[in-house]
Amino acid sequence: KNEVEQSPQNLTAQEGEFITINCSYSVGISALHWLQQHPGGGIVSLFMLSSGKKKHGRLIATINIQEKHSSLHITASHPRDSAVYICAVTTGNQFYFGTGTSLTVIP
Amino acid sequence: GAVVSQHPSWVICKSGTSVKIECRSLDFQATTMFWYRQFPKQSLMLMATSNEGSKATYEQGVEKDKFLINHASLTLSTLTVTSAHPEDSSFYICSARGAGQGWSGEQYFGPGTRLTVT
Repeated sequence: KNEVEQSPQNLTAQEGEFITINCSYSVGISALHWLQQHPGGGIVSLFMLSSGKKKHGRLIATINIQEKHSSLHITASHPRDSAVYICAVTTGNQFYFGTGTSLTVIP
Repeated sequence: GAVVSQHPSWVICKSGTSVKIECRSLDFQATTMFWYRQFPKQSLMLMATSNEGSKATYEQGVEKDKFLINHASLTLSTLTVTSAHPEDSSFYICSARGAGQGWSGEQYFGPGTRLTVT
């Protein structure tokens, strides 16, 4: 059983659509990260959060510690948002990674 | 934001040779650097954690004699894949965390190095 589960695994959306990617975890965490991996492989850290909600541009990340669940939302999606989105959690001395959600935004 | 670079971005080597990959923090001091590998269509797998000036801590199942990690300065860590074999072909990614950050601290990822062993 994976400590971090993401859904969906693959997602195709039309440009402009509102997108939600979900992450559930089963361990006690000190922080949760949302990462974006571009087709070439490079990784960008989008958010690090331990409670509540964060917003950066068209991206919004929320976390519910009691339910052990986080969501990443993309508003007004654009083809350049096409990437793999990875949820990762840290427990204090360990990292666990989700298998990623592959997002394709069609013009 | 903070920038982490890796060199080379891709490398092809013959089986049995050794390959060194560099990870540099360009505008901050990284007391801790992490090395990951990623197989196609799979998620990141942490290989080891290195702290400046001390020996790296390897994850279970990672051969420390095969994957040599040196974190000699606050801005540079190197991963050397010794006696490389085709099964070592993978995408290697480093990340760095600044001084004073705990395990919850922000990590900054390098762009990755694609290694192909022929």
